[in-house]
Amino acid sequence: EPEVTQTPSHQVTQMGQEVILRCVPISNHLYFYWYRQILGQKVEFLVSFYNNEISEKSEIFDDQFSVERPDGSNFTLKIRSTKLEDSAMYFCASSDTSENTGELFFGEGSRLTVL
Amino acid sequence: ILNVEQSPQSLHVQEGDSTNFTCSFPSSNFYALHWYRWETAKSPEALFVMTLNGDEKKKGRISATLNTKEGYSYLYIKGSQPEDSATYLCASSSVYSTLTFGKGTMLLVSP
Repeated sequence: EPEVTQTPSHQVTQMGQEVILRCVPISNHLYFYWYRQILGQKVEFLVSFYNNEISEKSEIFDDQFSVERPDGSNFTLKIRSTKLEDSAMYFCASSDTSENTGELFFGEGSRLTVL
Repeated sequence: ILNVEQSPQSLHVQEGDSTNFTCSFPSSNFYALHWYRWETAKSPEALFVMTLNGDEKKKGRISATLNTKEGYSYLYIKGSQPEDSATYLCASSSVYSTLTFGKGTMLLVSP
């Protein structure tokens, strides 16, 4: 069964370092998303991506964050200069239709720990 | 950002018990309601996506209902099994807002 894969599963980094989280969405999906969950809190929307551009982003997704689909298969989230409060589980998701009516297929998440 | 609330926060039942959880969301400009099942160390898995008032969906022993006028959805599990133990996430979107998740209901089913 097709699945969304994410790497790394866990990354530990020093504050101020750049981090890139990678995702391989399901191949025929067109809509891509990043969510995050800080420990004990809700799953929060970061950004959605369609047709090679950001379609929507949340207040969390500031200038420190960027997304890219460099080669037609990977979908990456870059955090330019990590802060302690960026420590969270980051989930990639994809869908074959808009998230409002189509189910999201999630990866298993990348746990980011910023020291 | 929508205010999506789930209750209870956690639930512990015995195998064979039937159970239900609630998700409440803003009814104005409602667009869609999603339920996801999230087992520890795995990825959240979609159970249902519902858009119409009065929708009822079923998958095996799990079913869900939707009331968009009053802003709530119920998830029912009939005859709970230990493998049903997971966190059940609800998420709602409006015409003006992207999908917003609740905090989830953590279900533990003891043999």
